[in-house]
Amino acid sequence: QKEVEQDPGPLSVPEGAIVSLNCTYSNSAFQYFMWYRQYSRKGPELLMYTYSSGNKEDGRFTAQVDKSSKYISLFIRDSQPSDSATYLCAMSADSSASKIIFGSGTRLSIRP
Amino acid sequence: DTGVSQDPRHKITKRGQNVTFRCDPISEHNRLYWYRQTLGQGPEFLTYFQNEAQLEKSRLLSDRFSAERPKGSFSTLEIQRTEQGDSAMYLCASSLTGAGRNTDTQYFGPGTRLTVL
Repeated sequence: QKEVEQDPGPLSVPEGAIVSLNCTYSNSAFQYFMWYRQYSRKGPELLMYTYSSGNKEDGRFTAQVDKSSKYISLFIRDSQPSDSATYLCAMSADSSASKIIFGSGTRLSIRP
Repeated sequence: DTGVSQDPRHKITKRGQNVTFRCDPISEHNRLYWYRQTLGQGPEFLTYFQNEAQLEKSRLLSDRFSAERPKGSFSTLEIQRTEQGDSAMYLCASSLTGAGRNTDTQYFGPGTRLTVL
């Protein structure tokens, strides 16, 4: 069993919809949780970074962490075609987040 | 552009050949990471350096793989006697870590796509 599980999709939604992306994990030592966005043929770019449980909002993006359930989510409001990409959850146990464990990524497509 | 750069962007080689990739991190960043990403998967950690010291290596990094960061700036990743299973995207990332910092954001380069025939 992988340490981090993520539904690969693909997920296709109409423009303007709210998107919910999720990951589960098994290692209770994880304390630092991240979401990366990866466009085709590009490296991942960091979208959101959260420490421990709770919510964090940045513009149209909201990250949620529920450590008791070992479950994290990323919500995208007012989705745009430019949000079409692969979204990777990632997590780390150490404070400097030197070793990051990634999920397999969810491929998201926003239909105009 | 002052982001992480990688060279080459694409490499096609025959099985058994050696290949070397280069990564130039963001200039003030003291940490440099190598990851491997196969189709439909997330990046898998291979190794990382703090300045010129290699601090951790994954079990994925077999003895055919070697990474160096001789002057604490750019890094090279060499794969000897390539196998078809080595075909993947090799990603480099860099970060700045130090006293007073709780987290260090990793910034990724565009990757080197390796195809072993």
